Amino acid sequence: SQQGEEDPQALSIQEGENATMNCSYKTSINNLQWYRQNSGRGLVHLILIRSNEREKHSGRLRVTLDTSKKSSSLLITASRAADTASYFCATVPQTYKYIFGTGTRLKVLA
Amino acid sequence: SQTIHQWPATLVQPVGSPLSLECTVEGTSNPNLYWYRQAAGRGLQLLFYSVGIGQISSEVPQNLSASRPQDRQFILSSKKLLLSDSGFYLCAWSVSTDTQYFGPGTRLTVL
Repeated sequence: SQQGEEDPQALSIQEGENATMNCSYKTSINNLQWYRQNSGRGLVHLILIRSNEREKHSGRLRVTLDTSKKSSSLLITASRAADTASYFCATVPQTYKYIFGTGTRLKVLA
Repeated sequence: SQTIHQWPATLVQPVGSPLSLECTVEGTSNPNLYWYRQAAGRGLQLLFYSVGIGQISSEVPQNLSASRPQDRQFILSSKKLLLSDSGFYLCAWSVSTDTQYFGPGTRLTVL
């Protein structure tokens, strides 16, 4: 089964609202990464949080990591229509092997 | 700066035909290279990864194969395509287990 599972599978919000998506994983990790994918395109790296970090910020993005619960959350503040995309978490449970979650499809309504 | 190229962008092939998808990376040396497949509306399935020339690790038994003839070239092949091979194929590279950089993808339709 997938190492990462995102929740919710789909999310629809109004522009200006915050969007929160969660990721759960199963094994120990060195880091957890979040990626964005626009429809029909490749994935773009957003942010990486290491196992010894609890929170990280990048612009309008805030990522938290709880290694005791094996979970992470991605918060996008003040969302824009351009944030409409699918968001994936990724972990590396074994050297070189990235395991991606099932993704959250975010739709931001203008 | 580093760039990654994939081609073709789209491909329509009949069942039983061969396949060759190519991925090249520029601006970095000895990258780790990856092939993923993504079904419509789904997550990424790791197919192959390579940490060096001629070193290929296969993750999913199937009728696909991969080769790395040069340091920055990764090729995905099949001798006979199946309907189930349809999907969006993504190539990616990394230099560690941190950030992965993805190509634009190839959409393959097998009819």
